[in-house]
Amino acid sequence: EPEVTQTPSHQVTQMGQEVILRCVPISNHLYFYWYRQILGQKVEFLVSFYNNEISEKSEIFDDQFSVERPDGSNFTLKIRSTKLEDSAMYFCASSPRGQGAVKSPLHFGNGTRLTVT
Amino acid sequence: KNQVEQSPQSLIILEGKNCTLQCNYTVSPFSNLRWYKQDTGRGPVSLTIMTFSENTKSNGRYTATLDADTKQSSLHITASQLSDSASYICVVTLDYKLSFGAGTTVTVRA
Repeated sequence: EPEVTQTPSHQVTQMGQEVILRCVPISNHLYFYWYRQILGQKVEFLVSFYNNEISEKSEIFDDQFSVERPDGSNFTLKIRSTKLEDSAMYFCASSPRGQGAVKSPLHFGNGTRLTVT
Repeated sequence: KNQVEQSPQSLIILEGKNCTLQCNYTVSPFSNLRWYKQDTGRGPVSLTIMTFSENTKSNGRYTATLDADTKQSSLHITASQLSDSASYICVVTLDYKLSFGAGTTVTVRA
C-alpha cells in the first residue's frame, strides 16, 4: 500500500537555525498538509496545499513557516529561525480530494521529530 | 475551547477484553467524523470515517458509532490485543477543517 514518507525521522537543531522537513506524498494525491503535535498534546493543523499554492493555514503558520513543492514528488516545510517552542513532531499528510469531500481519506506519514536546543 | 472532547484520557485493559472510548463534539453540522489509531512515535492511521447520516461503521474489531442528536461518537474495541495499545483520536471535519481530539491512550496488558 502506498505510503507518505518523511525525512528525516529526527532532526536536532539549535535555536535560531533554519530547518527543512521533507515529505513525499502518495503519488496520485492532490492535497497536501502539514500538522504538528507537541509532546503530550493534540494534533494541530498548520497548512494545506493544493495546485501549487497554500489553500488554508492556521494561526500557528506565521511568517516563520513556508511550504514548497519543488518538484513533482517532494513537499517541504521550512522553519526559519527556530525557537524552543517549535520542538514537536511534524506530520505530513496527503489526500486524493479535499478534506471537505465526504470520506476523503487522509494519509499521514510517520513524522519528523524536531528538537530545538 | 476544544471542539472535540474525548474520554477517558487513558485506560488499561486486559488482553481479550472489550472497551469503549467516547468522543463528544460541538462541531455541527460536519462533513465526517473519523477515528484514528496512533502508535507511539508514528503517524495516525485511519480506522473509520462516518458521514453525518451514518450510525455505525466497523473495521475488523473496531466499531464506531455516531449519534448526531447528542453529538457523541464512540469507538468499541472487541477482544483487545496487545497491538491495540495506542492512542485513539477522534477527528471531526467541517468543510475542509479538521478538529482533533486529544486522544485516549489505551494500554492492553497480558
